[in-house]
Amino acid sequence: EIVLTQSPGTLSLSPGERATLSCRASESITSSLAWYQQRPGQAPRLLIYDASSRATGIPDRFGGSGSGTDFTLTISRLEPEDFAVYYCQQYGYSPYTFGQGTKLEIK
Amino acid sequence: QVQLVESGGGLVNPGGSLRLSCTVSGFTFSDYYMSWIRQAPGKGLEWVSFMSRGGNTIYYADSVKGRFTISRDNAKNSLFLQMNSLRVEDTALYYCARGSKIPDFWGQGTLVSVAS
Repeated sequence: EIVLTQSPGTLSLSPGERATLSCRASESITSSLAWYQQRPGQAPRLLIYDASSRATGIPDRFGGSGSGTDFTLTISRLEPEDFAVYYCQQYGYSPYTFGQGTKLEIK
Repeated sequence: QVQLVESGGGLVNPGGSLRLSCTVSGFTFSDYYMSWIRQAPGKGLEWVSFMSRGGNTIYYADSVKGRFTISRDNAKNSLFLQMNSLRVEDTALYYCARGSKIPDFWGQGTLVSVAS
C-alpha cells in the first residue's frame, strides 16, 4: 500500500498570503495524485487531479505541481474561505489512499 | 446539478448490521463507477469500497472485506452498502462519491455509530 505523508500538519497563515502544502508518496505514482479541500462540517471537494489539473469551477489561485513522489498544492493568495483541511489522494496503485491531511488555519 | 444523498446510518450494537443507501441525480448513474469512503470522527479519509458501472469490478478495503457488500441498482440510480458484523472501529461518517480513482462529487454523508 502506498503511504502519503502530508506536511506540515498545521499551517498558520493570514488572508492574502501564499500557502504551500506538501504531499510525499512512499513510492512513485507518476502524476496520479488529487487534492481535496474539506471545510468544517462539509464533504471533501475535489480541487486538483492528475497532479496539476484544476477541477471544474476551482479558482485559478489553486495550483498543483509535482510528479513521482513529491507533490505540492499552492494557494497563491488566501481567501477567508480557503481555511480548511486539505487531503492528497493517490490513484496510481490500488488500494487508493489518502494522506492524513494538512489543516490550514488563520494566523 | 449533481446530487448524492446518503441514508441509512444510525446507532447499532457491535455485531449488528446496517444498510446504507445513496440516491443520485443530475448525472447518468450507470456511466460511473461509485465509491463509499468513510471518515472516523476527527480523523482522515478511508476508502471502503467501490463498484464499476455494471458491477463486475469491486474493491473492498481489507478492514471491511468479508463483512461489507457493495451493490447498485442502475434503474433506480442507487448505490448500497450492506454492513454486517459491525465493529466499534467502523464508527464513521460514510460518504457516497462519484467515481473510483478520482471521486469528483460527494454526498454529505450518513453517520454510523457502533457502540454498546
